[in-house]
Amino acid sequence: QKEVEQNSGPLSVPEGAIASLNCTYSDRVSQSFFWYRQYSGKSPELIMSIYSNGDKEDGRFTAQLNKASQYVSLLIRDSQPSDSATYLCAVYTGGFKTIFGAGTRLFVKA
Amino acid sequence: SAVISQKPSRDICQRGTSLTIQCQVDSQVTMMFWYRQQPGQSLTLIATANQGSEATYESGFVIDKFPISRPNLTFSTLTVSNMSPEDSSIYLCSVPRTDQNNYGYTFGSGTRLTVV
Repeated sequence: QKEVEQNSGPLSVPEGAIASLNCTYSDRVSQSFFWYRQYSGKSPELIMSIYSNGDKEDGRFTAQLNKASQYVSLLIRDSQPSDSATYLCAVYTGGFKTIFGAGTRLFVKA
Repeated sequence: SAVISQKPSRDICQRGTSLTIQCQVDSQVTMMFWYRQQPGQSLTLIATANQGSEATYESGFVIDKFPISRPNLTFSTLTVSNMSPEDSSIYLCSVPRTDQNNYGYTFGSGTRLTVV
């Protein structure tokens, strides 16, 4: 059973701090990794994708991938109250199949 | 990326009845995916819908319960049949993104279904 694990949270950080969200996956052959943000009552929207080991930065967001440890993370710098949402980690396992984690709820306190 | 119009946005249905959810995409796409998201849980793939062929269902989901139509490259429907309270969930359609720097999916706005 291929799995994607996330801490459900809530993760609470003060405004301006760095939020660190983590994800582990079980399928070693996975090649593509994604972070989605889902506001309450809304559908998920893609924030970042990462395909190679290392860091990928986009604005205040940095995705980090370590395939040897089967670990993906998302860092949000200068966190804002508007970042408060559930963040879903997703792993493409091939055959047009993507497995989603249950998500980590982030709360940014003003 | 594609824009998806999904409807209805929500519905409350009696058990034993059926509901059909529609997704219209503003561009032609080969594959469309239907997901279910139960409260506090991850997205679970129900089926993959390709135009011109039968949908491919994931383990635990069957065509009699979740019939899918895909009449053209911009439209698909998912029907939730003979509903029970256990079918209460959010249903989402999605299509692959075409951005080479950021693949992944674009999702419809979702249908929140409550079965009473």
